[in-house]
Amino acid sequence: ETGVTQTPRHLVMGMTNKKSLKCEQHLGHNAMYWYKQSAKKPLELMFVYNFKEQTENNSVPSRFSPECPNSSHLFLHLHTLQPEDSALYLCASSQKGGSNEQFFGPGTRLTVL
Amino acid sequence: QKEVEQNSGPLSVPEGAIASLNCTYSDRGSQSFFWYRQYSGKSPELIMFIYSNGDKEDGRFTAQLNKASQYVSLLIRDSQPSDSATYLCAVNGRDSSYKLIFGSGTRLLVRP
Repeated sequence: ETGVTQTPRHLVMGMTNKKSLKCEQHLGHNAMYWYKQSAKKPLELMFVYNFKEQTENNSVPSRFSPECPNSSHLFLHLHTLQPEDSALYLCASSQKGGSNEQFFGPGTRLTVL
Repeated sequence: QKEVEQNSGPLSVPEGAIASLNCTYSDRGSQSFFWYRQYSGKSPELIMFIYSNGDKEDGRFTAQLNKASQYVSLLIRDSQPSDSATYLCAVNGRDSSYKLIFGSGTRLLVRP
């Protein structure tokens, strides 16, 4: 266990559904991240939050909407996704200003039908 | 040119051998370098990080950094079948001290 939890672990949704992914970190970190990992592709950074403020949006389509209510919680709201959005979605956290080791949660395996 | 490059492998070594994993990066201003291990179907797990030129050892793992040549490597001594996984190299971006750029990973197979 890294101190970063994600729910749900698996999610199957249709293209017209709306769902949310949740991430919580228990490490006292101040930065949180969403990554997408597709087969045979490098980890793709989606969003970065630093002290609840979004500091990075890596040209992510608007059908992905992040929310960070506090430094410990991060959400990714999903709507009208496409089959190509099927992937492993990973949350990570780190302590900005320190050595910035990022610790990952277990991920949510998303399948879009 | 990719920002962080790794040979995809698979790199196959016999049990007990030294596995050598390499990574090159394009941004000469990068400061921090990380190695993650990822088992199939699991999330990346941090193994080591290194900032200074030279070697850093932790148990069976040694990270080596050469900033002049822009490469970082990971040596695994006495390789075990349980070391079979994909190893991801990550480099912090010059424009942000907290943004990591990942390579595609090298798949390591340790044969019993």
